[in-house]
Amino acid sequence: DGGITQSPKYLFRKEGQNVTLSCEQNLNHDAMYWYRQDPGQGLRLIYYSQIVNDFQKGDIAEGYSVSREKKESFPLTVTSAQKNPTAFYLCASNKGVKQPQHFGDGTRLSIL
Amino acid sequence: DQQVKQNSPSLSVQEGRISILNCDYTNSMFDYFLWYKKYPAEGPTFLISISSIKDKNEDGRFTVFLNKSAKHLSLHIVPSQPGDSAVYFCAAMDYGGSQGNLIFGKGTKLSVKP
Repeated sequence: DGGITQSPKYLFRKEGQNVTLSCEQNLNHDAMYWYRQDPGQGLRLIYYSQIVNDFQKGDIAEGYSVSREKKESFPLTVTSAQKNPTAFYLCASNKGVKQPQHFGDGTRLSIL
Repeated sequence: DQQVKQNSPSLSVQEGRISILNCDYTNSMFDYFLWYKKYPAEGPTFLISISSIKDKNEDGRFTVFLNKSAKHLSLHIVPSQPGDSAVYFCAAMDYGGSQGNLIFGKGTKLSVKP
């Protein structure tokens, strides 16, 4: 089945630690996105990538980093510089930037 | 400042009746609008979209209406079913000029009671 796989489903971070969230898609989509959702809030864009080896900052990129070495994969690293990392993180992709985005099932990150 | 607003955090409807979810936007450059449905601990699922050249788009039980002059869109679900209970997000895009980034509202939680 084609889709977007995010792992792990739950993740815990210690103080001062970097953690990496995985996002893989087998939809042959060019564009991929990372969003953050906080309780009672909409989705806010962290980073996006329209093509391999290229990515741009979204509205809340501080404290995060990404890479896009393969079309299928767009991992997100939450660095120790992100002071409030507890949130639900969603990865999305689409065929072209002007098509509906399709989402994975998310990773919930919490602080130990 | 919020560019996409869903002013009702929640809505409760009886099974079989119509559900109407509303969304307002402020950016006149937005010309493509989408509705997503989200269950707890899952990612949003795309429901329906509409471009600014239309004022209505229908897909089964779901209809989206767009009023450009009022910068308002609404999602109608008829008839509502208990399985429709979820959070619904409205999203908008500057289709002509942007890099495809969606701006989301904060969502409306729909509860359909049997």
